Amino acid sequence: GNSVTQMEGPVTLSEEAFLTINCTYTATGYPSLFWYVQYPGEGLQLLLKATKADDKGSNKGFEATYRKETTSFHLEKGSVQVSDSAVYFCAPSYSSASKIIFGSGTRLSIRP
Amino acid sequence: GAGVSQSPSNKVTEKGKDVELRCDPISGHTALYWYRQSLGQGLEFLIYFQGNSAPDKSGLPSDRFFAERPEGSVSTLKIQRTQQEDSAVYLCASSFQAGGYNEQFFGPGTRLTVT
Repeated sequence: GNSVTQMEGPVTLSEEAFLTINCTYTATGYPSLFWYVQYPGEGLQLLLKATKADDKGSNKGFEATYRKETTSFHLEKGSVQVSDSAVYFCAPSYSSASKIIFGSGTRLSIRP
Repeated sequence: GAGVSQSPSNKVTEKGKDVELRCDPISGHTALYWYRQSLGQGLEFLIYFQGNSAPDKSGLPSDRFFAERPEGSVSTLKIQRTQQEDSAVYLCASSFQAGGYNEQFFGPGTRLTVT
């Protein structure tokens, strides 16, 4: 079945460090790709998305590029802030299934 | 309303009791989804509705779980004879329509604790 694998956490970085959280998905069909974020005490919210190959999603300084050839959607940010501390979920959504397959989540902690 | 709302926000119940969780989607959203998030685990899909029908209920863990959306708007998730392993945060999401490219908007969740 469809699945997603994302980098295990927790990840701890210093402020202004470069961030990469890896994510790969199974290539069945042609999914839309999402990154969702869950800040402490808050609900899940969409961070960014890409719906076709080579699309780049971006928001709040985060970016991810839809790589069909490597079935990947890695999340990157050039300079993280303390306020980026949260749990990040990579989530392919297969149109035939209409449900999001969530990765296991990566907890990110940023030190001042 | 402005976003997806869920009630109650917290529910503590004794093992063996029945519980009912409610989800009120964003107005105009035809698709509604239920997930659960157990402690230390990822998000698990339970069921989704398109209007008042449920094309995919493959994630419901057992026949103790039942969900409905009779008028295609508010949905309830009912858990009968609760067990301790049912303890989790139950999340509801809605989207304008079903289909993988549609963003899902999540509610704040209901934290269920079975003692």
